[in-house]
Amino acid sequence: EVQLLESGGGLVQPGGSLTLSCAVSGFTFSSHAMSWVRQAPGKGLEWVSVISGSGGSPFYADAVKGRFTISRDNFKNTLYLQMNSLRAEDTALYYCARDYNWGGFYFFDYWGQGTLVTVSS
Amino acid sequence: QSVLTQPPSVSAAPGEKVTISCSGSTSNIGSNFVSWYQQLPGTAPKVLIYDSNKRPSGIPDRFSGSKSGTSATLGITGLQTGDEADYYCATWDNRLSGVVFGGGTKLTVL
Repeated sequence: EVQLLESGGGLVQPGGSLTLSCAVSGFTFSSHAMSWVRQAPGKGLEWVSVISGSGGSPFYADAVKGRFTISRDNFKNTLYLQMNSLRAEDTALYYCARDYNWGGFYFFDYWGQGTLVTVSS
Repeated sequence: QSVLTQPPSVSAAPGEKVTISCSGSTSNIGSNFVSWYQQLPGTAPKVLIYDSNKRPSGIPDRFSGSKSGTSATLGITGLQTGDEADYYCATWDNRLSGVVFGGGTKLTVL
């Protein structure tokens, strides 16, 4: 059974940092690109970043470019999102999502349950 | 303001049919496949349609997708109260080099 489990969310002050993790199981992790998608309270889905199965070719949404870094450890079957210089508008539920393909975006076939990040003083 | 434009809400009676539109441009829908996601209240999204018109296993054929030019459409027939959810379209945008979502459409089954 495919499982994605996010962790690392919490309350952080503006300007602070946080690292999210997504531990996966039930499939060959390195065979799939992975993304982070966030959802602000009461709002729609917003894609954040994607990384290929090998860990190369990361892409970022303009809203987070230069502040967030996506990475993965294919030995630990874990996806990460390092978030720096956090702003109030980064407050959201952060989902990790598996892409059907190895590289680039095709479609998200599995999603985690999300981890909540709240940026507030 | 989302790159892909969806109506904020649609409604119909049980048993009826509804369509949800998703409008984009040549750099996104016009050049790439579209996927559709259903998000039931309090849950993570679930894929309904990929490749613009294909259904993953387990998705009933009441759900269908189509694409023409720079627009895509999700159709749902035989509406059930359990279909009440938010629906999102998504695709890759070549100009932005990223995934873009529609703003979401809230379906109400009256």
